[in-house]
Amino acid sequence: QEKVQQSPESLIVPEGAMSSLNCTFSNSASQSIWWYQQHPGKGPEALISIFSNGNKKEGRLTVYLNRASLHVSLHIRDSQPSDSAVYLCAGGSNYNVLYFGSGTKLTVEP
Amino acid sequence: EAAVTQSPRNKVAVTGGKVTLSCNQTNNHNNMYWYRQDTGHGLRLIHYSYGAGSTEKGDIPDGYKASRPSQENFSLILELATPSQTSVYFCASGEGQGGPEVFFGKGTRLTVV
Repeated sequence: QEKVQQSPESLIVPEGAMSSLNCTFSNSASQSIWWYQQHPGKGPEALISIFSNGNKKEGRLTVYLNRASLHVSLHIRDSQPSDSAVYLCAGGSNYNVLYFGSGTKLTVEP
Repeated sequence: EAAVTQSPRNKVAVTGGKVTLSCNQTNNHNNMYWYRQDTGHGLRLIHYSYGAGSTEKGDIPDGYKASRPSQENFSLILELATPSQTSVYFCASGEGQGGPEVFFGKGTRLTVV
């Protein structure tokens, strides 16, 4: 079973700033790492995934993965109030399941 | 677009009663999952399935049963509901190896009184 720790629990940034979220895994078994976004009263939706060491950029999102340190981070450039949500980090296993962290609540203030 | 539909969306049950949460997916995905979400715990895996007729225990299966009668449908059954099972339950489906993209339903808020 994969254990996923996320930090910080909550983050408040001004509009236009960079938001940085962190995630640490208990072991290197996760084959894929996912970031999900969840708005209040909704189900989580996949944002971006990464499989290999290094970084991946999609639009305003950049994710960094370091398997040696079991650490992954998500950075949201030019944060907007519509980005306000809970962000969940998840690791995939050999059993085709995702194990989720407890989330980071992001608030972007206008 | 991927579609996972849960019913009911809200449910109030009495302690000791039987509760069935239903989930239907139109994605033709082999894998389906039931998670519960509680403040401070994130999403925790209850049961999952690799296909019709199969169910597997997740991290917190005690007090729950699952049923996968067809590719499209996956149910979560609480035979004897307890207040500790008050939570928001999410069904999801996914395809692929080693950590697939998972598509979630809108959730069912269950309150056991």
